[in-house]
Amino acid sequence: EVQLVESGGGLVKPGGSLRLSCAASGSTFRNAWMSWVRQAPGKGLEWVGRIKSTDEGGTTDYAAPVKGRFTISRDDSKNTHYLQMNSLETEDTAVYYCTTLAVLYFDGLPNSFCFDYWGQGALVTVSS
Amino acid sequence: SYVLTQPPSVSVAPGKTARITCGGNNIGDKSVHWYQQKPGQAPALVVFDDSDRPSGIPERFSGSNSGNTATLTISRVEAGDEADYYCQVWDSSSDHVVFGGGTKLTVL
Repeated sequence: EVQLVESGGGLVKPGGSLRLSCAASGSTFRNAWMSWVRQAPGKGLEWVGRIKSTDEGGTTDYAAPVKGRFTISRDDSKNTHYLQMNSLETEDTAVYYCTTLAVLYFDGLPNSFCFDYWGQGALVTVSS
Repeated sequence: SYVLTQPPSVSVAPGKTARITCGGNNIGDKSVHWYQQKPGQAPALVVFDDSDRPSGIPERFSGSNSGNTATLTISRVEAGDEADYYCQVWDSSSDHVVFGGGTKLTVL
């Protein structure tokens, strides 16, 4: 069983920065792809970005609304990954969920991804 | 970009069968995943790869996918199944994840 615990949420002014952390336990973190999903108040789920496992290069990818402003990184020695959020906008107000990303392979290549474990969420409020 | 369309709401009586659809262009060619989110909780995966269930998910939850529509079917609906349900795919052309807008299941 995997447990994910987010921390670092809070209130920040527009244009400010915030870093969320996600501590994982119960799995081989180094081999895990990790991701962030957010949910604005009263709205649906929105994918934010992902980071591949270190063994597969640790590369990142981001959704268009956050690309260039948000950065995902990982520290396998601490079983933790991070979401650095810069130039925050009021539209970034949301609960941010840390997730593990299950990779489904077909013929040895990634064919799809799903979010199999979720943290409890961290609320980020961007307001003046 | 790829778009997934879900009905905003579905209502069903206890003990009956609920069907929640997820529409997308040739979605039958993709692998579809479904999540359940109860009020105040994080989402939870209930069906992955069109029709597989994670351990611990009741057999009452099943999925299918063909053509332009994927469907989550919940048999013998219980009051505890009342929640928001989201479908999700990976869009290979953009290498991005896409969620549907969500469906609120109400148990009458």
